[in-house]
Amino acid sequence: DIQMTQSPSSLSASIGDRVTITCRASQSISSYLNWYQHIPGRAPKLLIYAASSLQSGVPSRFRGSGSGTDFTLTISSLHPEDFATYYCQQTHSTPSTFGQGTKVEIK
Amino acid sequence: QLQLEESGSGLVRPSQTLSLTCTVSGDSMTSGPYSWTWIRQPPGKGLEWIGYIYRSGTTSYNPSLESRLSISIDTSKNQFSLKLTSVTAADTAVYYCGRHNSYYYALDVWGQGTTVAVSS
Repeated sequence: DIQMTQSPSSLSASIGDRVTITCRASQSISSYLNWYQHIPGRAPKLLIYAASSLQSGVPSRFRGSGSGTDFTLTISSLHPEDFATYYCQQTHSTPSTFGQGTKVEIK
Repeated sequence: QLQLEESGSGLVRPSQTLSLTCTVSGDSMTSGPYSWTWIRQPPGKGLEWIGYIYRSGTTSYNPSLESRLSISIDTSKNQFSLKLTSVTAADTAVYYCGRHNSYYYALDVWGQGTTVAVSS
């Protein structure tokens, strides 16, 4: 299985901060990398697919980049509704695998 | 707007069978380039991909669960289901159903999840 490693596992940030989360694959996955936002009690939400494509309806402050093994999710200016856990997922190979998550908390 | 909702037993005895159903509303399961997926999250752990089924009935399972797993689909009811046999405490988790979009290679719609505890 392809291992997905996210960093950091958690971070504290303030409203308006720029936040960067990284995800590294144990082997090349081309651009088969997705990012999700999960708020407890709610359905996880697709933010970015194919490494850098913004899902319809997702604010433009979310940006994905990378290819191969190294990927980044950037939130350009943190809003109150962005405090959540973020997961990366590879869909290059079966079984699909997820990163362990990055919890974004209020500083 | 497409919605998915998981339902099933919240408590399962060890060695018994876990059964869950995902009901799809807002669109037909037979339309579009989609497969229908199960994912789970054990307490304090990350997300684990369980497997998916196409409307044709073709399935793909996580090898770690394949010997105990069955996913089926009933397009007449707009539902798909999961059965996991011989459960143990390690199968305790929040179980999510989702729609995998084959254009995006991503899960573009998820259910809210249902908690399943394996305990005697």
